[in-house]
Amino acid sequence: ETGVTQSPTHLIKTRGQQVTLRCSSQSGHNTVSWYQQALGQGPQFIFQYYREEENGRGNFPPRFSGLQFPNYSSELNVNALELDDSALYLCASSLAAQAGLGSPLHFGNGTRLTVT
Amino acid sequence: AQTVTQSQPEMSVQEAETVTLSCTYDTSESDYYLFWYKQPPSRQMILVIRQEAYKQQNATENRFSVNFQKAAKSFSLKISDSQLGDAAMYFCAYRRKTSGSRLTFGEGTQLTVNP
Repeated sequence: ETGVTQSPTHLIKTRGQQVTLRCSSQSGHNTVSWYQQALGQGPQFIFQYYREEENGRGNFPPRFSGLQFPNYSSELNVNALELDDSALYLCASSLAAQAGLGSPLHFGNGTRLTVT
Repeated sequence: AQTVTQSQPEMSVQEAETVTLSCTYDTSESDYYLFWYKQPPSRQMILVIRQEAYKQQNATENRFSVNFQKAAKSFSLKISDSQLGDAAMYFCAYRRKTSGSRLTFGEGTQLTVNP
């Protein structure tokens, strides 16, 4: 059983740039969610995707966007990067029988994004 | 909106001893899930234990157990026979039953295990 993998592990970007983070979900999982974890804080929910459609979003601006592909892998895109976007970005996958339900989440090791 | 509060930023315990981490939450829902996650320096969130709100029996996983007090909205984690490998950041999290994979996390408790 392959776990959740994220790439890259570390990334440094300049304010105003755009970034794409990638996540491969655990085999058999159809739901992917993304979290932002600032230093010293708990993760904050960004959004989740169920069968390629966004199905729930946290309090994040539209410059945070995502995609889920037919193989259930996912991307998180952030446009117009700001210094406060510096954080650990965690991806999690789960198996949902239907939208809104789900099994426990399996997390990846995250991508550490630094915006200078 | 649901909130999760962990009032202990740091805790320490001697190896082989028992430690309890506290968590309180606020919700108007009656059916939900509560979790404890462990985040070691590797950064991966690892599920420690899960509790379903409608189950009155406290969940147990080997050396880990919870004290779930639904009326008080309290959900503490007890670690027995602490081991060096238990050292990590511990997060309490809440999930509405129908919110899919949307978790609300607390601020975390850094647990140190002293040899």
